[in-house]
Amino acid sequence: GQQVMQIPQYQHVQEGEDFTTYCNSSTTLSNIQWYKQRPGGHPVFLIQLVKSGEVKKQKRLTFQFGEAKKNSSLHITATQTTDVGTYFCAGLNSGNTPLVFGKGTRLSVIA
Amino acid sequence: DGGITQSPKYLFRKEGQNVTLSCEQNLNHDAMYWYRQDPGQGLRLIYYSQIVNDFQKGDIAEGYSVSREKKESFPLTVTSAQKNPTAFYLCASSVQGFFEQYFGPGTRLTVT
Repeated sequence: GQQVMQIPQYQHVQEGEDFTTYCNSSTTLSNIQWYKQRPGGHPVFLIQLVKSGEVKKQKRLTFQFGEAKKNSSLHITATQTTDVGTYFCAGLNSGNTPLVFGKGTRLSVIA
Repeated sequence: DGGITQSPKYLFRKEGQNVTLSCEQNLNHDAMYWYRQDPGQGLRLIYYSQIVNDFQKGDIAEGYSVSREKKESFPLTVTSAQKNPTAFYLCASSVQGFFEQYFGPGTRLTVT
């Protein structure tokens, strides 16, 4: 079945450093979604990417969808302590199959 | 105030007992989902429902059961057949199947 691999599993950065998490699917995706889960909280939807090569920005966050629609990345510029949490990607195949979540990247920011 | 509610936040049960976790949404969403989250495992889909009176098994449905008698409600029963029930359970909903999902606050179940 479809698999979504996410790396790295953990990332520790100094405040102000950049951070990137990568997501790779074993199959071509119709879209990819990104979620953030703060420690002790629940996942919150960040964004959805649909088009090949799409790039979207939300303030310091930049999301990319690969040309082949099999990979995606989330880049955070100049991390802040408020960025702490686990970032999940979730891929959707065409057809009526469920979202498949990656295992997430846990980001720690050291002030 | 729209959203998804899950109750209780923490739940403790003895091994061998069935337990039902509540999930209610007032977002008028058609689709609802149950996920299990274990440390380092991400979110694993237990069951999902795209319309009232219909639901499908996810990746780890064994030992769980659900019902969807009302649009707003999607309770999950963790049966005694579930071998490792201790986990964080998250309910979610979306406007339609697999659009952006809105998650409830979760129920942390401990079985001893």
